[in-house]
Parts: sequence; C-alpha cells; structure tokens
Amino acid sequence: AQSVSQHNHHVILSEAASLELGCNYSYGGTVNLFWYVQYPGQHLQLLLKYFSGDPLVKGIKGFEAEFIKSKFSFNLRKPSVQWSDTAEYFCAVNARNSGYALNFGKGTSLLVTP
Amino acid sequence: GAVVSQHPSRVICKSGTSVKIECRSLDFQATTMFWYRQFPKQSLMLMATSNEGSKATYEQGVEKDKFLINHASLTLSTLTVTSAHPEDSSFYICSARDGSRNTIYFGEGSWLTVV
Repeated sequence: AQSVSQHNHHVILSEAASLELGCNYSYGGTVNLFWYVQYPGQHLQLLLKYFSGDPLVKGIKGFEAEFIKSKFSFNLRKPSVQWSDTAEYFCAVNARNSGYALNFGKGTSLLVTP
Repeated sequence: GAVVSQHPSRVICKSGTSVKIECRSLDFQATTMFWYRQFPKQSLMLMATSNEGSKATYEQGVEKDKFLINHASLTLSTLTVTSAHPEDSSFYICSARDGSRNTIYFGEGSWLTVV
C-alpha cells in the first residue's frame, strides 16, 4: 500500500541547532515529493518540492531536502533553525501521472527554544 | 501570489443540520480542487478530488452522500456536510491546483464543530 512515514513526531531544538526531519515513502513508480509547513494558526505553505533533476532541492527560508531514490527518502534539513521555525512540518507524496492529490505523512511538530 | 480562500474559517452547527464550506481560488482558475480532513495532531486525509464540471472522486471510506462536493466553476468548490454529527467535527482543508504554475495551494482551513 502507498504510504508516507515521518519518523519524528515531536522535535525540540535550541536556536542555531541543525535540523533534519525524516520522510520515507512506499510507492511504486515515479513520484513527486513535497514538504509543507503549517505555522501556528496559519494554513499549509509549500517549503519545497521535487519533481525531477537535481536530487538536492532548495526551498524557502533556508530549507533544503535531498531525494535518495534507493532509500525512498526525502529528508528535510536546515543548518541553523530559528525560533520562527516552530511549526508543524508535513512530507507529502503523489504518484506521477496519477493525478495531483497528495498523500501526507503524519507530520512532525518542531519546537525551537530560544 | 496565488491564494486559495476558504469560508467560513469556523462554524458551529447543530446535529442533524447541514453546513457548507466554500473554497475559492482568488487569482487563478482551478480545474482540480481537493478536500482534506485533518484530525487534531494527525495528518491530512484526502477526502475527495473535485473536478470542475464533473462529479467528484471520493476516497475509499468517504460517504459521498454525506459529504457533497460541487465544483460548478473554475474558481469555486463547495463541501456540504449533510446531517452533521458530532463525529464530523474536524478541520477541513481544501487545495487547488494552478496548472499554469504547476503548483498546489492550500486554503486556510475551516473548523467545523457539531454540537
């Protein structure tokens, strides 16, 4: 069955610490991959996406993600987090050529402390 | 930038009544919109895919007679929760695909509380 797994449900970091959030997917065929962020009280916003090409994708606000096909992974990284990065982060996948609906992971709640 | 707007952002209704949630794409035409449901501390679950001018495609386990979806124009899709029950209380989120930018935008979400 198609699924998206986010390993860390709750992460607490101090400001300036490095961040890596794991995302693995179980899909047959070619996929499109996304990371969304949901700040408290706000709607989902796209951080970055991967369709094809360079597997290292750079997004907004200093985030990046690396697609490793052999590991079925698309981990999100940021070298130095800020307090304003406190939010819920969702990895999402859709199978290419099968519509545009997204299958979301359960999300990771990130708290950055001053 | 492109914006998807949902209305109302919060609604409380009595059990047995129906409530309609609107999803609008404000500066692009969306042939495809999606409706998700998000339970507290959980992920978004796709309910249905809404295609302009045709019937919505529902995910397995979603009652199409209970969650009526209409996509009558390229900028508006509506979700009507019919005969609402307390267990329908949830956060409903829509998204719309902007084909010209190959990007999906999400609405702000709508909190539904059925009492």
